[in-house]
Formats: sequence, C-alpha cells, structure tokens
Amino acid sequence: DTEVTQTPKHLVMGMTNKKSLKCEQHMGHRAMYWYKQKAKKPPELMFVYSYEKLSINESVPSRFSPECPNSSLLNLHLHALQPEDSALYLCASSQDQAGGTDTQYFGPGTRLTVL
Amino acid sequence: AQSVAQPEDQVNVAEGNPLTVKCTYSVSGNPYLFWYVQYPNRGLQFLLKYITGDNLVKGSYGFEAEFNKSQTSFHLKKPSALVSDSALYFCAAWTGGFKTIFGAGTRLFVKA
Repeated sequence: DTEVTQTPKHLVMGMTNKKSLKCEQHMGHRAMYWYKQKAKKPPELMFVYSYEKLSINESVPSRFSPECPNSSLLNLHLHALQPEDSALYLCASSQDQAGGTDTQYFGPGTRLTVL
Repeated sequence: AQSVAQPEDQVNVAEGNPLTVKCTYSVSGNPYLFWYVQYPNRGLQFLLKYITGDNLVKGSYGFEAEFNKSQTSFHLKKPSALVSDSALYFCAAWTGGFKTIFGAGTRLFVKA
C-alpha cells in the first residue's frame, strides 16, 4: 500500500471555528509532513514529524497545531484561522532518512476555505 | 541561498511530439533532485529522482530526466507526449535534513 489518505477532502470553516485535518499512511514511514499550497504555487513546508516527534516547525502561526498520535497518523488542528489561510493542505510521508534520498509520498490534500 | 528554478511558466506541445520541462538548481553538497507531477485538485505524484550514478534517470509514465552537473540542470523529458500528460510539474531539491525546496512549477499543455 503506497497510499497516503487525507480527510476531509474539502472543509469550509468560519474564523471562530475549530477543526482538524487528518492524514494516515500504512507504509511504515517514520517521517510525516504538512505542506500548504496556494493556487498555482509550489508547496510550502509547515511541519515535519520524525519518529512521532516534531522535527521542523517552519515558523507557522500558532493557530495551526500539529499532532502525531502514532506512527501512522498525523493531524493538523485549526483554530481562529484567517481567510488568507485558505489553501490546499497536503500531507506527505517518507522513510525515516533525513539524508535527502527518500521519496515523499503525498496525499490528495484537503481544500480549506476560511470564510 | 539554495534554490530551484523552473524558467518556463508554461510549456505547450502537440501530442506525439517530444517534450522538455526545464529545471536548474543551486544547492550545496551533492544534489538530490526530484520531479513531481500534480493534476488538478490532487496531491503531488512522484515521477523520478536523481541521487547518484547515471545521468539519465528513468521514471514513471515514460518520463526521464537528464542530470547535468556542469550546467546545474535536471530537465524532464518524454519522447512522445500524451494529452493526459497535461498537468503541473514541479522540480525539487533536497536542501538538508527533512527539507526539500520546490521550483515554482511549470504547467504543461499537450494539444491533441
């Protein structure tokens, strides 16, 4: 199974709402990533978890809160978002190597709209 | 600063013709380079990567890429384009740790 799944596919939320994005992989990968992608732009790295520990936080605002409950699951908790946070949120996973040779496998993304 | 450049926003090619999507890079150390494709409202799909060895890398769906160290380029190629190849293509480079930087993307249009 080389699939990364993400739920929900689409999410519309108000600026006062709290919601969560979920990501799951069963490839035995030990690194998991959250990216944000605006339309027609490249993905921007937000967070990386390695062995369920947060390895990278790219100065993301605290209204985004990642969580890695176990090696297969990655969540992104959202609270008090702004309209400019509307984007496609991509989850990815890779083997545990930080040496750069690993391929990242991406999920289909969650299309988030903040009203 | 480390960077990946895709000089063309868009490439147009007729079905059956060869296609090239250009990428140049500026990274320190050994370059680990990747190509990904993205279809509308979908995640990125891995096409191929260069780690070391042969300068011609073969990947998925008939794509290949040529690594040229002297020109710091990693152009994506396909001998015969299909309409279904129309998508957004990203070149990417590893920059250390878990970090990969992506080029701005090139939109490929293949006309029937």
